Amino acid sequence: DQQVKQNSPSLSVQEGRISILNCDYTNSMFDYFLWYKKYPAEGPTFLISISSIKDKNEDGRFTVFLNKSAKHLSLHIVPSQPGDSAVYFCAASGMAGGTSYGKLTFGQGTILTVHP
Amino acid sequence: KAGVTQTPRYLIKTRGQQVTLSCSPISGHRSVSWYQQTPGQGLQFLFEYFSETQRNKGNFPGRFSGRQFSNSRSEMNVSTLELGDSALYLCASSIGGRHDTQYFGPGTRLTVL
Repeated sequence: DQQVKQNSPSLSVQEGRISILNCDYTNSMFDYFLWYKKYPAEGPTFLISISSIKDKNEDGRFTVFLNKSAKHLSLHIVPSQPGDSAVYFCAASGMAGGTSYGKLTFGQGTILTVHP
Repeated sequence: KAGVTQTPRYLIKTRGQQVTLSCSPISGHRSVSWYQQTPGQGLQFLFEYFSETQRNKGNFPGRFSGRQFSNSRSEMNVSTLELGDSALYLCASSIGGRHDTQYFGPGTRLTVL
């Protein structure tokens, strides 16, 4: 039962253009969402997060959009740079209650390649 | 501030053995979560410790266990290793609140032969 899905295994974009990475979730109890970037042989690096009370959050070149009714979030990177090439994971955490602490549910990841 | 550190970085074991992995969180962080990453299953939550207590647990067999010390450092142990336990084991630390960001270490690559 995959509660967080990233349906695109890979995405290729040109330097300077926009990269849009998508993520869908099924569990309506998720109320906090995060994006991580991962290079080979390294741990995931936190990029940006969004609470379910918001529909948009920006941090520099990164913007995350949340559509709760569609249970969909997306990460926009503008402009894309070759150094952004990595695997991107979306992750979600659940509602209040002891069992939600410390647990992130991850999507399968999308490999982003930014060409010079 | 120093990041999350994990030791060892690489480990090779044989079936039936046991292994202990270590994680030192960011200074001031009291929560440590453990994850297993495999090509087939992706990143899966193992368990989380806060103030030396296991606060949350994923769907892994009892062969996987952990503990946390008073300085917030954490260890995880896998007993009776199976070939399928070969994976990248990641730990992440946070302050400990529900929406506090988790920061990951570089991982320990475990290979079971």
